[in-house]
Amino acid sequence: TQLLEQSPQFLSIQEGENLTVYCNSSSVFSSLQWYRQEPGEGPVLLVTVVTGGEVKKLKRLTFQFGDARKDSSLHITAAQPGDTGLYLCAGDSGTYKYIFGTGTRLKVLA
Amino acid sequence: GAVVSQHPSWVICKSGTSVKIECRSLDFQATTMFWYRQFPKQSLMLMATSNEGSKATYEQGVEKDKFLINHASLTLSTLTVTSAHPEDSSFYICSAITSTGQGFETFGSGTRLTVV
Repeated sequence: TQLLEQSPQFLSIQEGENLTVYCNSSSVFSSLQWYRQEPGEGPVLLVTVVTGGEVKKLKRLTFQFGDARKDSSLHITAAQPGDTGLYLCAGDSGTYKYIFGTGTRLKVLA
Repeated sequence: GAVVSQHPSWVICKSGTSVKIECRSLDFQATTMFWYRQFPKQSLMLMATSNEGSKATYEQGVEKDKFLINHASLTLSTLTVTSAHPEDSSFYICSAITSTGQGFETFGSGTRLTVV
């Protein structure tokens, strides 16, 4: 069974601080995605990474895919209250059937 | 871009009744749709994969007789929770893709089911 473990599970930080969320697995994924989900809504795609070692930036968010395509990280610089939400990674083993990570609930305090 | 619509967004039903949730692809033909369940403060768990015109494939531990999935057209899949019980209360989310995988990153807005 493929598992994607995210850490930390919960994170509460002050506005302006930096943070990193990790997504780890023992399985190799052909691609990996990061989503943010607000309460009562479906997840919204932030980024897709497909190449081992790939780094993508989205404003204050930096995403990295591990060289072996088994892990990924999301780094947020100067977090803002609007970044609050549930962050989910999801891996595709090649069939578009996505396995979701355990989730990281982020709260940014003003 | 790909848009997936879910209806209803929330529903409350009595224990023992059945509830139908619809998932529609609005601007593309979805050969495959995925149904997920999300319990409070937890991640999404894949329930089943439905392919247009064929039977759905259920994940281990998901009762196919309880969660009936119909994917009768390229733009519509339905999930019916039969004889619902309070433990079925959850957030149900769908996603849809074309035969070439287009739209794989797009999810419906979810349906919150509460069984009382």
